[in-house]
Amino acid sequence: KAGVTQTPRYLIKTRGQQVTLSCSPISGHRSVSWYQQTPGQGLQFLFEYFSETQRNKGNFPGRFSGRQFSNSRSEMNVSTLELGDSALYLCASSLFIQGGPDTQYFGPGTRLTVL
Amino acid sequence: GDSVTQMEGPVTLSEEAFLTINCTYTATGYPSLFWYVQYPGEGLQLLLKATKADDKGSNKGFEATYRKETTSFHLEKGSVQVSDSAVYFCALREEGGSNYKLTFGKGTLLTVNP
Repeated sequence: KAGVTQTPRYLIKTRGQQVTLSCSPISGHRSVSWYQQTPGQGLQFLFEYFSETQRNKGNFPGRFSGRQFSNSRSEMNVSTLELGDSALYLCASSLFIQGGPDTQYFGPGTRLTVL
Repeated sequence: GDSVTQMEGPVTLSEEAFLTINCTYTATGYPSLFWYVQYPGEGLQLLLKATKADDKGSNKGFEATYRKETTSFHLEKGSVQVSDSAVYFCALREEGGSNYKLTFGKGTLLTVNP
């Protein structure tokens, strides 16, 4: 079974631009979560989607948004990029079993550099 | 809120040495506990997990036991290899609520020398 895929793998943008990152979950997984990884803050939760609905959101400004499609693929968007948005953005997918989600499996990430 | 504290790195060992990476947690409920590993330039891979007290997770020679009384989930391996060089993250997820986010520790960089 194919793993979580993320596109693009690398991205370079300039301040003020916006960016869209894409994530395709493992087949059959309906829950998709996004995390930001930086050297200073470590791994921080951005948001989680299930059946096209955002269920949870981390402590990030409104410039960070996302959505999920009917095939469970997800995108996240960052508008008005700032230098501090440079990070590795990781997507994770999981099955949803009785009582809650199963293990989260991560993709390789998208490395975003903001100049 | 929930938090995870890992031992500060970096950790440098010789091949075949014994490895311990300490992890303690603070949680309001009954979390599941995880160890993830990140190799250079890659995403996170699940190494092992435990979902309730006294459970032992194991994989590829790594082990960790869920200790509720000490709120710990220390990672151990009896004999490390050069290929184990990576960053190791301890994480927790609260169960029974509606927020399924993972809360991670800062990560511990392990370097194994031949």
